[in-house]
Amino acid sequence: DTGVSQDPRHKITKRGQNVTFRCDPISEHNRLYWYRQTLGQGPEFLTYFQNEAQLEKSRLLSDRFSAERPKGSFSTLEIQRTEQGDSAMYLCASSSGGVVTQYFGPGTRLLVL
Amino acid sequence: DQQVKQNSPSLSVQEGRISILNCDYTNSMFDYFLWYKKYPAEGPTFLISISSIKDKNEDGRFTVFLNKSAKHLSLHIVPSQPGDSAVYFCAASSNDYKLSFGAGTTVTVRA
Repeated sequence: DTGVSQDPRHKITKRGQNVTFRCDPISEHNRLYWYRQTLGQGPEFLTYFQNEAQLEKSRLLSDRFSAERPKGSFSTLEIQRTEQGDSAMYLCASSSGGVVTQYFGPGTRLLVL
Repeated sequence: DQQVKQNSPSLSVQEGRISILNCDYTNSMFDYFLWYKKYPAEGPTFLISISSIKDKNEDGRFTVFLNKSAKHLSLHIVPSQPGDSAVYFCAASSNDYKLSFGAGTTVTVRA
């Protein structure tokens, strides 16, 4: 079991650019979650997938954000036209359906200049 | 709205002594509670959890206590070790998918 992996670990971009992050969950987990964490705060829920279906999106997820999990395995989170306020740690987690405990990846730290 | 609150941003404890971390919540629908530990530049690591039907759960040096009437839970670490120095997050769930987190408590274990 290799755990949840995320790529890249760090991303620096200029305002207005698009960025895409990837998450590979634990292989037998059918649920995948995205969270965002800013300095001094705990992770905030963004969205989650059960298999390939995106079942809930937080109001934090503006129209510039889109997430996909095309084959129910890995997931991507894209941010279009990045803004400085998007600078944060983006965390991915996975779990088995019906199990509350989520296992987190190392995160992708985004800095928008 | 912050439904999970960790009112102590930091805690310093001597090695070998007990660390007690506190967490309060406002949503009475929460029925499962978890503690995560986070080192810098890493994701949160699951530590221990408790269902609302219990009032105590123990795993090695870690014990979580739940007081539903007070909407309060605590994490006890005994004895504290240098490797326990990290940020600890309390989290809660009212369904089986979305976690609501507190802002975290930074624990420093002094030698």
